[in-house]
Amino acid sequence: DQQVKQNSPSLSVQEGRISILNCDYTNSMFDYFLWYKKYPAEGPTFLISISSIKDKNEDGRFTVFLNKSAKHLSLHIVPSQPGDSAVYFCAASAGTSGTYKYIFGTGTRLKVLA
Amino acid sequence: EPEVTQTPSHQVTQMGQEVILRCVPISNHLYFYWYRQILGQKVEFLVSFYNNEISEKSEIFDDQFSVERPDGSNFTLKIRSTKLEDSAMYFCAATGNTEAFFGQGTRLTVV
Repeated sequence: DQQVKQNSPSLSVQEGRISILNCDYTNSMFDYFLWYKKYPAEGPTFLISISSIKDKNEDGRFTVFLNKSAKHLSLHIVPSQPGDSAVYFCAASAGTSGTYKYIFGTGTRLKVLA
Repeated sequence: EPEVTQTPSHQVTQMGQEVILRCVPISNHLYFYWYRQILGQKVEFLVSFYNNEISEKSEIFDDQFSVERPDGSNFTLKIRSTKLEDSAMYFCAATGNTEAFFGQGTRLTVV
């Protein structure tokens, strides 16, 4: 049961261009969404989050958009840099569950080409 | 950024042996977690721990697994009798009420 889906396993983008990573979810109880970045042999690093009461959150080059009616969120990175090359995981949690556990997507490997 | 530290970074063990993975989470955080990632797969929730007891666990977290926080500092995951399929990266995480911070992981290899 994949409650959080990232349908693109990989994405290549030219340096300086925009990277758009997508994520879909099925559980309408999710009320908090996050993006994590992961390098090989390291733990996930928090990138940006969004609460379900918002539809956009911006932090520097990173913007997350949430479309609740479509149960879809996306991460925009602009401009993309070679150091952004990593695996990006979308995660969701239902605060009402009381545990704040995250359900992760399968990840999208981003490669930014110099 | 706050740090969650895990030891060891890599553990090799024989099938059937017990292993203990250790984590020092952020002291003022409330919830502690173990996740795992089998090579090439997604990060999966194992267990959450709050107020010195398990608050939720997944189907993966069967009787072979246990967690404890014996001294209010270290947070441990014990696997009693390891199986080959337990080979994975195990991540400890801690959260207050927003984002979780993850440790760098322990790579467990069961041979």
